[in-house]
Formats: sequence, C-alpha cells, structure tokens
Amino acid sequence: AQSVAQPEDQVNVAEGNPLTVKCTYSVSGNPYLFWYVQYPNRGLQFLLKYITGDNLVKGSYGFEAEFNKSQTSFHLKKPSALVSDSALYFCAVRDRSGGSYIPTFGRGTSLIVHP
Amino acid sequence: SQTIHQWPATLVQPVGSPLSLECTVEGTSNPNLYWYRQAAGRGLQLLFYSVGIGQISSEVPQNLSASRPQDRQFILSSKKLLLSDSGFYLCAWTGDNYGYTFGSGTRLTVV
Repeated sequence: AQSVAQPEDQVNVAEGNPLTVKCTYSVSGNPYLFWYVQYPNRGLQFLLKYITGDNLVKGSYGFEAEFNKSQTSFHLKKPSALVSDSALYFCAVRDRSGGSYIPTFGRGTSLIVHP
Repeated sequence: SQTIHQWPATLVQPVGSPLSLECTVEGTSNPNLYWYRQAAGRGLQLLFYSVGIGQISSEVPQNLSASRPQDRQFILSSKKLLLSDSGFYLCAWTGDNYGYTFGSGTRLTVV
C-alpha cells in the first residue's frame, strides 16, 4: 500500500522569505515522488519529480525538493517566496514495486505568500 | 509535444439532466487516462482510469460512467445528474515520464 501525508493545511510566509511545504510518504518498496501546483480553477501543473539519483531535485519556478529516505520525506522548498507562488500544492507518491501506476495524492497544502 | 484538452471549462446543468465531458490527448499514443473529481478545492478523488480502448476501471461507485472510444479520447458521462455531482473535474494522462499531466478542468455546477 502507498500513502502520502501533507501535515499542514496552510502555510503562511512573507515574500522574500524561504518556504517549505512538507510531505511524508509510505510505500512498500522504493518511491516515485511528485509535486504539483494548482492555481484557482485550473488543473494541476507538474513542478518536479524524484525517480532516482540525486536526492535534491530542482523543478519549475525555482522550486526544489529533497528526497530523504530515512525520514520518508519529500519536502518542497524555495529560497525566496513570491506572492505569485500562492497556490495549492500537492505531493504524490507511487510505489515502484507495487505494480500500480496510479499515484496517491496528499490532501494539498495551501501556500499563502504575504507581500 | 504532448497536450491534453478538456472541455467545457464551466458547465451549469439542472438536476436530472445528462452529462458529457470530453478529454483528448495529442502527441502520444496508448496513454493511461484518468478522471478525477476535486471537491471544495482540495483533495483529489480518482473516479475512473483506462489503460486502453474500451478498458475502464471504476474506483468509486456512483452516478457517473466513463468511456474510451478512441485511443486518446476519454469521456465522462451521466444519464441523470445529482446535486452531489457538482465539483471540479480533471482529466489526466500518464506516459513514460512517470507522472501525470492534467487538463485545465471543468467546473460543474448542478442546480
């Protein structure tokens, strides 16, 4: 079985400050991990993914995420937040060895960047 | 390049009326296709997925059905809409890149 948790419903940060959106996962084997962003009334947009290799993954719009196998985490980070980063962020996991090609999504974290 | 088209963007339908939402993918072949519903702007609920023409798997028994008449076409339907069918419907596909590509969504309001 696979599952993902986003422990924060909402994250508030001031513009220019670093931001972190947390994600932890559970899989039987090794994970594929993803982050998506959703703006109001729009579809989800792919930000970045971890498949294999370097634990630090760089994605779109200056975002990055670090795969931590021992802590089963894949937190999304950005060094300097912009007001335009305000959106809903989803973490997703797919178990490589589970035979399922369907990711499990977290409930989403609303990021609010204050001017 | 691959693109996904989903329409209409918004739809207001009376209770008891039929529904047809369409999703098409371009630039790829034999994609896995998915329909999700998102309620209250938060969590995603997987409704249906398809790994090939005519192959539909339902995740949640409900008032909706799905069909895949062509390789890159995925249709979400209902014979009679309920108020509870209101929501934001998202189509998505996966190929070789391991992750999803989502359509722009349809906001359905049943009145």
